[in-house]
Amino acid sequence: DQQVKQNSPSLSVQEGRISILNCDYTNSMFDYFLWYKKYPAEGPTFLISISSIKDKNEDGRFTVFLNKSAKHLSLHIVPSQPGDSAVYFCAASGGRDDKIIFGKGTRLHILP
Amino acid sequence: NAGVTQTPKFQVLKTGQSMTLQCAQDMNHEYMSWYRQDPGMGLRLIHYSVGAGITDQGEVPNGYNVSRSTTEDFPLRLLSAAPSQTSVYFCASSYSVRQETQYFGPGTRLLVL
Repeated sequence: DQQVKQNSPSLSVQEGRISILNCDYTNSMFDYFLWYKKYPAEGPTFLISISSIKDKNEDGRFTVFLNKSAKHLSLHIVPSQPGDSAVYFCAASGGRDDKIIFGKGTRLHILP
Repeated sequence: NAGVTQTPKFQVLKTGQSMTLQCAQDMNHEYMSWYRQDPGMGLRLIHYSVGAGITDQGEVPNGYNVSRSTTEDFPLRLLSAAPSQTSVYFCASSYSVRQETQYFGPGTRLLVL
């Protein structure tokens, strides 16, 4: 059973426009959410996070929105740049156990 | 400060062989974990550890063993490799699991023939 879902395997966005990546979760015990970025042949690197006590967190061009009632979060990148082309993973943790669960990832292509 | 290191970078095994993937961190992190990445499957948690002497199973633990005798090291053992274990393996660490960012190693690419 997939607890963290990224239903879009890929997304193409024009350079300079907004990129919106979506993530849904099923476990209501999750209380901390993270986004990671991964380039080919490298390990994932942390991008931005949000605690369940907030509904928005902003860091430069990156903003994460959390809708707890819908069990949905999204990552907004504005403006999109060529270096943003990568695979983005949504991850979540919380509850009784100490697991951090990742989604399947969304490959973002920034078009010139 | 080397962060999270993994060895080897690449390994080819024959079915039935055993091997250990090494992971070490020098950040005094208590929480360490192993993930595998397969096409279309994302990152799946294999095993994790909340501190020396404590390990637990993740989402896909079958075929893998771990131990955590020191804070720094968290090796992953394949006792009898199978082609289904062909994957890229990532080790990660953080101060704790609670509201913390994990730092990932560069990965080990494993091919089982």
